Amino acid sequence: DGGITQSPKYLFRKEGQNVTLSCEQNLNHDAMYWYRQDPGQGLRLIYYSQIVNDFQKGDIAEGYSVSREKKESFPLTVTSAQKNPTAFYLCASRHLGGYTEAFFGQGTRLTVV
Amino acid sequence: GQQLNQSPQSMFIQEGEDVSMNCTSSSIFNTWLWYKQDPGEGPVLLIALYKAGELTSNGRLTAQFGITRKDSFLNISASIPSDVGIYFCAGQLAGAGSYQLTFGKGTKLSVIP
Repeated sequence: DGGITQSPKYLFRKEGQNVTLSCEQNLNHDAMYWYRQDPGQGLRLIYYSQIVNDFQKGDIAEGYSVSREKKESFPLTVTSAQKNPTAFYLCASRHLGGYTEAFFGQGTRLTVV
Repeated sequence: GQQLNQSPQSMFIQEGEDVSMNCTSSSIFNTWLWYKQDPGEGPVLLIALYKAGELTSNGRLTAQFGITRKDSFLNISASIPSDVGIYFCAGQLAGAGSYQLTFGKGTKLSVIP
């Protein structure tokens, strides 16, 4: 089935540790996005990528890093520099050009313990 | 970053009632998308709008792209318990190279059986 897959669904991290969230899509979409969701805050853009080996900072990129070595994959690393990392993280993808929808993965809930 | 004003923030309605929610902005958008999110899951696309004045239905859902291109609304008719969730609007700003989506903060819908 075509779709966008995030893993793991739940992730626990100790303070001071880096952690990487996976996002894979087989929709042949050009662009991929990472959002952070906190209660009552809607979706805030962390990073996005429109092409392999290129990515741009979103509104809240501090404390996060990404890579786009393959079109299908856009992993997000939450570094120890992120002061408040506990949140629900959503990955999305879409075609570029024309008018296109974005499709989301099922999300990863990260908890810092 | 750019913000969309989505209202109401939350709604409690009786099963069978109709629901209306909307999003407004001071900027012009060339795409409006409406999503529904169940707890702990990623948002699922409900309706996509690409043309000013466009009115599109998906079952009991109807959405319109405002003629000023600065607003959109979503109506749900004859609500049922499974309509419970958070509804998000998202828009893509008009302009070359603008591939980011801006999200509203969501409308939390509760349906009383």
